Amino acid sequence: DQQVKQNSPSLSVQEGRISILNCDYTNSMFDYFLWYKKYPAEGPTFLISISSIKDKNEDGRFTVFLNKSAKHLSLHIVPSQPGDSAVYFCAGAGGTSYGKLTFGQGTILTVHP
Amino acid sequence: DTGVSQDPRHKITKRGQNVTFRCDPISEHNRLYWYRQTLGQGPEFLTYFQNEAQLEKSRLLSDRFSAERPKGSFSTLEIQRTEQGDSAMYLCASSHRGQAYGYTFGSGTRLTVV
Repeated sequence: DQQVKQNSPSLSVQEGRISILNCDYTNSMFDYFLWYKKYPAEGPTFLISISSIKDKNEDGRFTVFLNKSAKHLSLHIVPSQPGDSAVYFCAGAGGTSYGKLTFGQGTILTVHP
Repeated sequence: DTGVSQDPRHKITKRGQNVTFRCDPISEHNRLYWYRQTLGQGPEFLTYFQNEAQLEKSRLLSDRFSAERPKGSFSTLEIQRTEQGDSAMYLCASSHRGQAYGYTFGSGTRLTVV
C-alpha cells in the first residue's frame, strides 16, 4: 500500500532553471507534508514542510505547493544549483500515528552546470 | 552538539547471527525514531520512542526485531536470527517535543546479511 508516490525516479535540470518535483498521496488523514533531501552516505535532511491548512509555503529558493483536492504536492527550486543534486523524498504525516512519517520512493535530481 | 550519531556505520553479518545497532540522539531531544531504507525506496517507519516509552511499532517490526531506549537517552535496535531480507540501511532520527515532524536523521547503519 504505497500511500505516498513519487512517480518520477529522476529529473535532470540545467543550472539556473526551475526544478519541479512532484508527489501524490492517497491517505486523507495526512495533515502535514514534508520534503527531505538526501546526499549519498548521509541521512535525509529536512528541507521544507507545509500544513494542510495552507496551499503554499516558501523558504528562500524552495517553495512547496499543496493541492488537497488532487492529493498532490510539488517542490519548486528556483534557481536550481549544482549543489541541489541529491535524492528528494516527500513524506506525509498525521492521523492516528503521531510522529510517524510515510515517505515516497524518492526522485533523483541532477542539476547540470 | 554533533547531531544524531549511529554506530556502527557498516555491518556485515552471516545469516542467522544477531546484530545490535546503537543510536545517540541530539541531547535535548526526547523523541527518537527508527526507520529502514532499502535500495530505491524511501525510509520506512519501524518504531518511535518518547523518552523511554516505546509508543508505536510498525507491522514491519517482526518479533525478531526489538528496540529499547533505557533512561530515555541512547537507543538500541537488535535483530535476531538475521535473514538476507534484513539487508538495508537502518536510520535513526530524533526531535524535541515542539518540533513535530521535521526531525534530524543520523547517517545510518548499513547492514549486509550474507
